[in-house]
Amino acid sequence: GAGVSQSPRYKVAKRGQDVALRCDPISGHVSLFWYQQALGQGPEFLTYFQNEAQLDKSGLPSDRFFAERPEGSVSTLKIQRTQQEDSAVYLCASSVLAGMNTGELFFGEGSRLTVL
Amino acid sequence: EDQVTQSPEALRLQEGESSSLNCSYTVSGLRGLFWYRQDPGKGPEFLFTLYSAGEEKEKERLKATLTKKESFLHITAPKPEDSATYLCAVQAPSWGYQKVTFGTGTKLQVIP
Repeated sequence: GAGVSQSPRYKVAKRGQDVALRCDPISGHVSLFWYQQALGQGPEFLTYFQNEAQLDKSGLPSDRFFAERPEGSVSTLKIQRTQQEDSAVYLCASSVLAGMNTGELFFGEGSRLTVL
Repeated sequence: EDQVTQSPEALRLQEGESSSLNCSYTVSGLRGLFWYRQDPGKGPEFLFTLYSAGEEKEKERLKATLTKKESFLHITAPKPEDSATYLCAVQAPSWGYQKVTFGTGTKLQVIP
């Protein structure tokens, strides 16, 4: 497709369940970011990939959060043992550039996670 | 720690009533400042990149400016379709790449 695709768009999980959120970046984009956006707030950085290498995971809120991009294209954000405070929209963004200037980010529409 | 502060949190304008949104930042080694627009239920959409103090960019009714400590997004004669949340983001060096940090946004409502 022409843009960043995220799935599922909506996910309802019971507390304690594991969830997996998928991101298909624009083909050929080197950089991939995951952000968490709470209602009424700006996106908060979670993690960054350059190709398959996870260069920064400093924003992951706990060891229940795990992200991967094994072949340098599709990425998955996994949340284990979900808690109510994990409820948010998870945004994926990609960029054609990397390193010293990632430039303009292209965002997907996000995956809205609700934990009951 | 890099910080990005946007004001006001919300702004309500009459159609045609011009105004400005503010983004102030404290980062080490700014590499770029971005403005994005976000509509409800959508991901942010890129508007502008500014790289150095004194730079200006324009697109339709929007004009972005940059100083050493802040950026302004000027909206001239806004229309209802300009209603959205406007996000500012800064890019600065972190762990070998250019980390992008967002502000909390300004929610703009333009009344017909």
